[in-house]
This record gives sequence, structure tokens and C-alpha cells, in this order.
Amino acid sequence: QVHLQESGPGLVKPSQTLSLTCTVSGGSISSGASYWSWIRQHPGKGLEWIGYMYYSGSAYYNPSLKSRVDISVDTSKNEFSLKLSSVTAADTAVYYCARAPIFLPFDIWGQGTMVTVSS
Amino acid sequence: EIVLTQSPGTLSLSPGERVTLSCRASQSVRSSYLAWYQQKPGQAPRLLIYGASSRATGIPDRFSGSGSGTDFTLTISRLEPEDFAVYYCQQYGSSPYTFGQGTKLEIK
Repeated sequence: QVHLQESGPGLVKPSQTLSLTCTVSGGSISSGASYWSWIRQHPGKGLEWIGYMYYSGSAYYNPSLKSRVDISVDTSKNEFSLKLSSVTAADTAVYYCARAPIFLPFDIWGQGTMVTVSS
Repeated sequence: EIVLTQSPGTLSLSPGERVTLSCRASQSVRSSYLAWYQQKPGQAPRLLIYGASSRATGIPDRFSGSGSGTDFTLTISRLEPEDFAVYYCQQYGSSPYTFGQGTKLEIK
């Protein structure tokens, strides 16, 4: 049973970089069968796809965030990471990591981690 | 970008009732790559339906999906108390992947 767990600071100052890690257990990121994604949800709002990465290092981002986002993978640790730069209060949200098998939607999600941008 | 519009925004219903939720896309969804999720307060979304009409593993058969092109529906044949939640549709056929704004099912 694949399990995803987000980790990282819950509070980030404006203009700084938000950094989160998703640790994958029960399965290998390197299997090549899935894309590994980040999705966020603003308080009381809907869901926004941030981007995803393939284990080879290929990444695809939402154009609305592309200039500020970097998703990377560490296959040796079986984890992938999100960096979002120049954050503002508008980036305050619950951030989820999720797995999407190729040609399928997000079937496994982490529990989510709340990140607040505030000085 | 494909915009997904869900209707209605909120539904007040009683257990045992049948409900149909709508999701309309601003352009055709490639290969019916349309999914439905259920989200309860404080929890991550749970995948219910993929490929417009296929139930995900472990999803009860009271949940069914249909549609193609730009119009999709999720039907719950007989509402159970645990079904009251927010439901989102999502397209994964074109980048950027997008979600609808959600439909909230509340107990009447």
C-alpha cells in the first residue's frame, strides 16, 4: 500500500521560498508507472494543480505558477519536493502531494500540510 | 486551459435520496479523462471515478459516472450519511490539469 506524507515548515515569511517534501512509502518513485504531483487548496476554496514530476526528472507545471515553481525528485530517498519562490499571502493553502498513475488521475494523496505565509 | 463548471453549488438532501451532480467543461475533455473526487472536512480528496465512468478501487456501486465531450455527471443512487461531503470533478486530459469549484452535499 503506497503512502505519501508531506513535511515542511508551516509558516513562511513573505518573499521567501516555500519548501515541502513528500516521502513515498510502500512503493518506488522509480517504478516509472506514475507521475508525482503537488496540489494546493486555499482555505475554504477549491483545488489547484501546481505541477508534477516523472522519476526521470521531467517536470510539468501549471502556467499560472511556472515562473515560481520547482519540483524535484530524490530517488535515493524515495521522495520528491516542491519549492515555491517569492511567496505572498495568496500562497497560504493546504499543500497536498499525490500520485497519478500514467493516464489516470490522482489516486493516492498525502494528508496535506497547511502552509501560512505571514511575517 | 479547460475550465470546469460544477452545478449546483450546494444541494440539501436527505439520506436515501438519489442525486446527480453536473460538471461542464469549456472544451472537450480528451479521451474522457474526467475524474470525480469526494472530500470531507479536514481530509484529502478521495478518488471516486476515473475515465468518466470507471469506479476507483473500493468505491461502492451506488456511485456512478457518465458523460463525454463537455458534459459529465456523477450520480449517487441512494445517499448514505457518509456521502455528505464536497465533490469535485477534474480533467486530466490536458495540461494544466484543472478542477471544478465543487458541489457541496449537505443534510437536509
